[in-house]
Amino acid sequence: DQQVKQNSPSLSVQEGRISILNCDYTNSMFDYFLWYKKYPAEGPTFLISISSIKDKNEDGRFTVFLNKSAKHLSLHIVPSQPGDSAVYFCAASAITSGTYKYIFGTGTRLKVLA
Amino acid sequence: ETGVTQSPTHLIKTRGQQVTLRCSSQSGHNTVSWYQQALGQGPQFIFQYYREEENGRGNFPPRFSGLQFPNYSSELNVNALELDDSALYLCASSFPNQPQHFGDGTRLSIL
Repeated sequence: DQQVKQNSPSLSVQEGRISILNCDYTNSMFDYFLWYKKYPAEGPTFLISISSIKDKNEDGRFTVFLNKSAKHLSLHIVPSQPGDSAVYFCAASAITSGTYKYIFGTGTRLKVLA
Repeated sequence: ETGVTQSPTHLIKTRGQQVTLRCSSQSGHNTVSWYQQALGQGPQFIFQYYREEENGRGNFPPRFSGLQFPNYSSELNVNALELDDSALYLCASSFPNQPQHFGDGTRLSIL
């Protein structure tokens, strides 16, 4: 049972345009969500997170939106740069459960074209 | 500030053998989590240690075990290796309720 789903395996975007990566989840107990970026041969790098008490969090070019009723979150990257080309994972956690395990999606490969 | 470091970077074992993977957490982080990432998949949670105690476990059999030491470094041990154990093993450290920071992983191949 895939509790966190990233239905788009890949996405190509022109440099300077907006990249929108999507993620859906099924477990209503999730209360903390994160996005990670992963380059080949490196571990995932934390990008941005959002608590379930918010619906938006912004950090520079990265904004995460959370729609709790739809159980959907998205990551917006504006403007997209070639260095953003990587695999992006969304992750969810139920922090109130007392453990801090993350459930990851399968990732979306973003390619930013120069 | 030193990040999360894992050793070794690559390892080749045969079925039935045992393996120990090591992780040094980022300075001060008292929580360490281990994940298994198979090819084309997202990381899957194995278990987590907080102040030397196991604090949550994913859907992995008991032959996957771990330790956390007083300096918060950690080991992942896998006994009776199977072909399906071939994967990237990731360690992540954090403070509780803070984003986890990952090492670059150990690539384990089982022949």
